[in-house]
Amino acid sequence: GNSVTQMEGPVTLSEEAFLTINCTYTATGYPSLFWYVQYPGEGLQLLLKATKADDKGSNKGFEATYRKETTSFHLEKGSVQVSDSAVYFCALSDLNNAGNMLTFGGGTRLMVKP
Amino acid sequence: DGGITQSPKYLFRKEGQNVTLSCEQNLNHDAMYWYRQDPGQGLRLIYYSQIVNDFQKGDIAEGYSVSREKKESFPLTVTSAQKNPTAFYLCASSMGSGATQPQHFGDGTRLSIL
Repeated sequence: GNSVTQMEGPVTLSEEAFLTINCTYTATGYPSLFWYVQYPGEGLQLLLKATKADDKGSNKGFEATYRKETTSFHLEKGSVQVSDSAVYFCALSDLNNAGNMLTFGGGTRLMVKP
Repeated sequence: DGGITQSPKYLFRKEGQNVTLSCEQNLNHDAMYWYRQDPGQGLRLIYYSQIVNDFQKGDIAEGYSVSREKKESFPLTVTSAQKNPTAFYLCASSMGSGATQPQHFGDGTRLSIL
């Protein structure tokens, strides 16, 4: 079956530090990959996505590249801000699924200190 | 603005009581989903619906029921058979069943036991 593994948090950084949150996956078909962000007390917001190998998703300074050879989709940002403090979820959706169902990682909490 | 509205934001359930969580979307999306999120954990799929008058069980459907009588509405009932209902419940929708379509989330309902 499908699975997503994220690095455990919390990740604590100072403002303007470089961020990497690791995500690896296993899938039986040809997945699309997503990063979602959840701010306290809210639902999930789509941050970025990539639908095929070597695609790079980017948004709000965040980037992630779909690496089929390493089955990875690591999230990066060059300079984090306090406002980036949130929980980040990596997820996949497999073309071989009966429907568009997401498999989520366990989430990584990011805390950015001023 | 288009989006997904969940209500209420907070809900309390007494022992032996059924409660219903509302989810409405005006995005004209065909597919809708219900997830459960426990503290510090990822999301688990309860039920999903790809089309009106049709729905399927997810990974943790026991103790829950849904209906899909209208395209824009997908209410979730937490029955008295669900012995550990305290959690954050998230509703989502997507344009279709293709794996490249991202899911859009509401702001969630937090359910607690009195």
